[in-house]
Amino acid sequence: GENVEQHPSTLSVQEGDSAVIKCTYSDSASNYFPWYKQELGKRPQLIIDIRSNVGEKKDQRIAVTLNKTAKHFSLHITETQPEDSAVYFCAASWGTASKLTFGTGTRLQVTL
Amino acid sequence: KAGVTQTPRYLIKTRGQQVTLSCSPISGHRSVSWYQQTPGQGLQFLFEYFSETQRNKGNFPGRFSGRQFSNSRSEMNVSTLELGDSALYLCASSLKLGPYEQYFGPGTRLTVT
Repeated sequence: GENVEQHPSTLSVQEGDSAVIKCTYSDSASNYFPWYKQELGKRPQLIIDIRSNVGEKKDQRIAVTLNKTAKHFSLHITETQPEDSAVYFCAASWGTASKLTFGTGTRLQVTL
Repeated sequence: KAGVTQTPRYLIKTRGQQVTLSCSPISGHRSVSWYQQTPGQGLQFLFEYFSETQRNKGNFPGRFSGRQFSNSRSEMNVSTLELGDSALYLCASSLKLGPYEQYFGPGTRLTVT
């Protein structure tokens, strides 16, 4: 089945710096790659997603890039703020299923 | 639009008991998926439903089951509870089956003692 690896597991950056989280997937048929942000005690919140026919997508301070050849995708957060501190999960799905396979999460801490 | 809702939010059960969790999707959403979240295993897919039919099932024992009603609301049931079933159970809804945006509910925190 599909396997998604996520790195790093923890990331600490200073406010205003950029943060990058990387994920690799195993199934070349994967076609949808969402990113979720989960604050402590809250539900996972969809922050951005990308489909396999697109190489990059941007939404204000966050962007996602996809390299289908290498089977990896990355989340980029620029000008980080303390409210960006949370656990970020990447995920992948394939075919006509809604099933998401998640990475193990990255705990991002933005320090003042 | 109201978001995905789940009831109950917290539940404490004893080993051997069974439990039923409920999920109401966003209005108009017809696909519901369930996930288990634990510190050790992360977010794991349980099953997904569309048009009252289970479309996919994750790698969980048969004690875990679910169903979907004609109004797209979904329930999952866990029978003969084990200590290892303690987890946050999340449901997510999307407009239709397939690779589309999924929105999560707040989850049900199940503790098995």
